[in-house]
Amino acid sequence: DAKTTQPTSMDCAEGRAANLPCNHSTISGNEYVYWYRQIHSQGPQYIIHGLKNNETNEMASLIITEDRKSSTLILPHATLRDTAVYYCIVLASNTGKLIFGQGTTLQVKP
Amino acid sequence: GAVVSQHPSRVICKSGTSVKIECRSLDFQATTMFWYRQFPKQSLMLMATSNEGSKATYEQGVEKDKFLINHASLTLSTLTVTSAHPEDSSFYICSAEDRGRRNTIYFGEGSWLTVV
Repeated sequence: DAKTTQPTSMDCAEGRAANLPCNHSTISGNEYVYWYRQIHSQGPQYIIHGLKNNETNEMASLIITEDRKSSTLILPHATLRDTAVYYCIVLASNTGKLIFGQGTTLQVKP
Repeated sequence: GAVVSQHPSRVICKSGTSVKIECRSLDFQATTMFWYRQFPKQSLMLMATSNEGSKATYEQGVEKDKFLINHASLTLSTLTVTSAHPEDSSFYICSAEDRGRRNTIYFGEGSWLTVV
């Protein structure tokens, strides 16, 4: 699976959009980009995933660049409850095997 | 609500005993489930792939005789930590892929194991 690079930590003001970048420059054509978040002492929560088109759901938007070498997770209106570690993972199709990096610790501040 | 459930959420056992953790997919069938462990302030580490009706496959460095995995049905996988030691104390998490929901992979709530 392609490796991903994420900033170690980020801050965001409550009510503002949180934009979390992820670099996956060695991604292959059949590999999906998945985003999860983990709040302390809980299992990872699924946020969103995509292959090449931008995706949006009730939680977030995923913007994938045209060359697919990077993506951005957007939380449109961050709240204090969005404080968590966010993981960007590249997954080969039909494997189900997610390899976690260190993720980005997002701190939403009042 | 949760689509993958684990039980128990917390368990304390004595050194030398075995403990079983269950992982269930609640409204979909999963031929494959995955088991992870996570130590404090670290990321999740994949331990093994649980395959329905066949043997589990283990990641390098994970002892298959210590971490027994059984995937007896399409909705249940179990992880048994045998002859537990204090260093096995960790957060154990499972995941399963729902092919009916765009291959979305869901995680359970996790199980805290403390070996005393």
